[in-house]
Amino acid sequence: QVQLQESGPGLVKPSETLSLTCAVSGYSISSGYYWGWIRQPPGKGLEWIGSIYHSGSTYYNPSLKSRVTISVDTSKNQFSLKLSSVTAADTAVYYCARHSTGLGVDYWGQGTLVTVSS
Amino acid sequence: SYELTQPPSVSVSPGQTARITCSGDALPKQYAYWYQQKPGQAPVLVIYKDSERPSGIPERFSGSSSGTTVTLTISGVQAEDEADYYCQSADSSGTYPYVVFGGGTKLTVL
Repeated sequence: QVQLQESGPGLVKPSETLSLTCAVSGYSISSGYYWGWIRQPPGKGLEWIGSIYHSGSTYYNPSLKSRVTISVDTSKNQFSLKLSSVTAADTAVYYCARHSTGLGVDYWGQGTLVTVSS
Repeated sequence: SYELTQPPSVSVSPGQTARITCSGDALPKQYAYWYQQKPGQAPVLVIYKDSERPSGIPERFSGSSSGTTVTLTISGVQAEDEADYYCQSADSSGTYPYVVFGGGTKLTVL
């Protein structure tokens, strides 16, 4: 059974960088699929942030591209998100997920709430 | 930017049929996916490739596509189906994995 688990600070100060890691178990990241980050502001809908392919290629939401970096560590079977220059508008539950063009997002992490506040 | 449009809310009585639509200009060329999200939980995939149902998803969930609109149908709605539902597809360029989500529809079981 594939499992994903987000970890990282729950509180980030404005203008700083949000950093999250997603640990994957039950499947090797290097074997395939896209591995992505999706967020959901409180009471609002889902927004795709970006994804990394198992080969290491990255794809970012154009609206966030200038602030986002996604990387992968295959030795630890995990991937990470960095979002720079955060503001209160970046407060959200952040989900890591596995997805593909044929299956959609078939596995999600439980989500982690990140609050941007001084 | 490309958008997928869903009605904000749909209400049905138990046992009735709920239909949730999702509209987007690129949907004739791209697969659509549907997710169910209950409060405090991560979304769950209920339909992929327009009309395929993942294992473990009840048969009362079905999907269809017609032109620029895709529809999630829940037949014989149960109280446990009350949730938010989101459609998802690739963006208008059709380049995966540039995905986009609809705004979500709150299904209320009366």
